[in-house]
Amino acid sequence: EVQLVESGGGLVKPGGSLRLSCTASGFTSSYAWMSWVRQAPGKGLEWVGRIKSKSDGGTTDYAAPVKGRFTISRDDSQNTLYLQMNSLKAEDTAVYYCTRGYYSMSGNCYYWGQGTLVTVSS
Amino acid sequence: EIVLTQSPGTLSLSPGERATLSCRASQSVSSNYLAWYQQKPGQAPRLLIYDASSRAPGIPDRFSGSGSGTDFTLTISRLEPEDFAVYYCQQYGNSPFTFGPGTTVDIK
Repeated sequence: EVQLVESGGGLVKPGGSLRLSCTASGFTSSYAWMSWVRQAPGKGLEWVGRIKSKSDGGTTDYAAPVKGRFTISRDDSQNTLYLQMNSLKAEDTAVYYCTRGYYSMSGNCYYWGQGTLVTVSS
Repeated sequence: EIVLTQSPGTLSLSPGERATLSCRASQSVSSNYLAWYQQKPGQAPRLLIYDASSRAPGIPDRFSGSGSGTDFTLTISRLEPEDFAVYYCQQYGNSPFTFGPGTTVDIK
């Protein structure tokens, strides 16, 4: 059974940093393209970014609002995906989900974690 | 960046009725890589349709997706009580991937 478990959320001050983790199980995570999606309280879904598998170059793509501030990385030996968030703003407050596509190299989101809440506030 | 517009914003229907949701893209979606999701309060979204018209495993056949290029449709043939929720489309053919703002299907 595929499972994605996020951790690392919490309260952080504007301008601060936070690193989220997503531990994957039930599939060979090294082959999978993984994405982060967020949802601000009471708002819609927002795609944050994606990392390809190392065999596909391990390249990353980001949404405009987070580009240059957020970095996605992966440690396939630990089956773990990361989201490093720097220079956080109030508008980054959201539940952050780790996702994987229906196919390993797909950009849709079939598997979802339970989400982790990030609150940016002074 | 491809902007997705969903209409209507809210759809008020009764159980048993047919629901037709629209998702329009600001430019053609590569390979028709368009997905539909359902989200209920307090839950993570659930993938219903991928690649514009393929149903995800376990999704009832009352849900169907159609369309290509810039115009896509999610149809729920006969609404069941559990179908009242928010529906989002997402394009994943062109980076950055994007979601639409959502359509709320509520009980009339």
